[in-house]
Amino acid sequence: GAGVSQSPSNKVTEKGKDVELRCDPISGHTALYWYRQSLGQGLEFLIYFQGNSAPDKSGLPSDRFSAERTGGSVSTLTIQRTQQEDSAVYLCASSLPLAGGTDTQYFGPGTRLTVL
Amino acid sequence: AQSVAQPEDQVNVAEGNPLTVKCTYSVSGNPYLFWYVQYPNRGLQFLLKYITGDNLVKGSYGFEAEFNKSQTSFHLKKPSALVSDSALYFCAVRDSSASKIIFGSGTRLSIRP
Repeated sequence: GAGVSQSPSNKVTEKGKDVELRCDPISGHTALYWYRQSLGQGLEFLIYFQGNSAPDKSGLPSDRFSAERTGGSVSTLTIQRTQQEDSAVYLCASSLPLAGGTDTQYFGPGTRLTVL
Repeated sequence: AQSVAQPEDQVNVAEGNPLTVKCTYSVSGNPYLFWYVQYPNRGLQFLLKYITGDNLVKGSYGFEAEFNKSQTSFHLKKPSALVSDSALYFCAVRDSSASKIIFGSGTRLSIRP
């Protein structure tokens, strides 16, 4: 597709259940980011993938959160044993890094997660 | 460590007036600075960025931003606001030695007719 896509667009789950959120980056983009945006808040960095390098997981809030990127393309963010405070919009972005890290990020529409 | 601050949660401007959305940053190396906009029920869109060169950067929709190294600021400006500019604006920074971009808390811009 022409842009970054995310699925599902909305997810309602019960506390304690596991959820998987998917991101399809722009074809050819080697960098992929996950962010979390709580209601009315800024963007919280979660994790960053760049090519075959080890991901930067420094933003993951707990060990309940994990992410994979298979084949350098599609990424899945998994939240285990969801809690109500996990409710937020989860945003994915991809970019084509230039020399010196001057890449522009292209964002997907997000997945709105609601934990009851 | 890198950080970015947007001191105003909300900015209100009358249509046709100039607007400024403030952003200050802190990095240990050279800063790469970005502005993104989030329209209601839509994803974030890139507006402009400063990497090097001319301190005044022009971007989409008539916006511009001025990099001020001494004041560590990168304020977003537009000479004449439109109602359609009403949205949530995010400033972001990457330290030249870092791998990730840090976003500010966002400023909600409201343009009244």
